[in-house]
Amino acid sequence: EPEVTQTPSHQVTQMGQEVILRCVPISNHLYFYWYRQILGQKVEFLVSFYNNEISEKSEIFDDQFSVERPDGSNFTLKIRSTKLEDSAMYFCATKQQGPGNTIYFGEGSWLTVV
Amino acid sequence: KQEVTQIPAALSVPEGENLVLNCSFTDSAIYNLQWFRQDPGKGLTSLLLIQSSQREQTSGRLNASLDKSSGRSTLYIAASQPGDSATYLCAVYSGNTPLVFGKGTRLSVIA
Repeated sequence: EPEVTQTPSHQVTQMGQEVILRCVPISNHLYFYWYRQILGQKVEFLVSFYNNEISEKSEIFDDQFSVERPDGSNFTLKIRSTKLEDSAMYFCATKQQGPGNTIYFGEGSWLTVV
Repeated sequence: KQEVTQIPAALSVPEGENLVLNCSFTDSAIYNLQWFRQDPGKGLTSLLLIQSSQREQTSGRLNASLDKSSGRSTLYIAASQPGDSATYLCAVYSGNTPLVFGKGTRLSVIA
């Protein structure tokens, strides 16, 4: 079965540093998403990306966050000036065009800010 | 604003039992509902997707039902096994609105 691949699987960073989380979507998928899950809490939506631009974002996704698809394959989430409360599992997800299709999630990138 | 609730929060059953996990959502205007499995520290594995026009979907020992008008879905697991132990998440998709998740039911199947 095709997979969404995320790197790194785990990253520890100092508060205030920038991190980049990377995702390789399933080929022929056109919709890309980032979600996060703080330990013990619900999976929360951050941002959706379609046709090389952000289509929707949550209140969490403020100026500290950015996404891009720099080379037409990888989909990245950049977190600037990380805070302790950014510690979470970050999931990339992708979907084919059409509302009836399954959304596939990657294994996640566990970010620990110290 | 869509809210998704899952009951119970945790469930422990002996191996071999059939069990039902519940999911409710506040806004019935959904395109589909998806059930996921999450193992500790791992990603989300899609189990079943039910379109809003469907009543149920089956995959192996799993059967998911959807009653859109009442805002409810159930995940039925037949003949549970220790390998079924995981957290089960329900999420609804409303077109442009991204997936909204419940908090999950943590299932333990005891051998």
